[in-house]
Amino acid sequence: DAGITQSPRYKITETGRQVTLMCHQTWSHSYMFWYRQDLGHGLRLIYYSAAADITDKGEVPDGYVVSRSKTENFPLTLESATRSQTSVYFCASSDQLRTGELFFGEGSRLTVL
Amino acid sequence: DAKTTQPPSMDCAEGRAANLPCNHSTISGNEYVYWYRQIHSQGPQYIIHGLKNNETNEMASLIITEDRKSSTLILPHATLRDTAVYYCIVRTNTNAGKSTFGDGTTLTVKP
Repeated sequence: DAGITQSPRYKITETGRQVTLMCHQTWSHSYMFWYRQDLGHGLRLIYYSAAADITDKGEVPDGYVVSRSKTENFPLTLESATRSQTSVYFCASSDQLRTGELFFGEGSRLTVL
Repeated sequence: DAKTTQPPSMDCAEGRAANLPCNHSTISGNEYVYWYRQIHSQGPQYIIHGLKNNETNEMASLIITEDRKSSTLILPHATLRDTAVYYCIVRTNTNAGKSTFGDGTTLTVKP
């Protein structure tokens, strides 16, 4: 199906474990983003990517790693999860050649115990 | 990218126009104003954007002041399904990087 999909939708893990959240888009958008949203707050940018093999830090990058070997995929890895990383994570993509609109996935709810 | 300021919450009667303000006093000449909304815990949804002219689409209207330091999103006939958090962000159209969302305005449409 066309669009942007995230997996897993729900994940429970323990402190210190490595976790990878996947994001896949079918539009061949150049830009992709990862945001986190803590309960009752807005979205904060973690990392973004302007194209394959090009990534840059956002507001809150510490504790996260990203890669973009293919245009359509933008995985987010928590190398050693902490309780403060309990959050809902949203992936988004954007086609800068058109409106610059951000298209968001449904979110991945991560709980770190 | 310029920062934005929005009221934390607003109420609106069903069927009436909802006017959501946003201040962006440090906006640069090449930065656009974008509006998104988030219903419950879903991913945010694009509503509208503009540079300096007023814009209208099937969802809403965007009014940008002449000095571009503030804008208003107008939902002409609010329904209960418009209850959501509304985010105003400003950024250039050529570099989507660092699109920063604040805490937005929680709009509650009441019957």
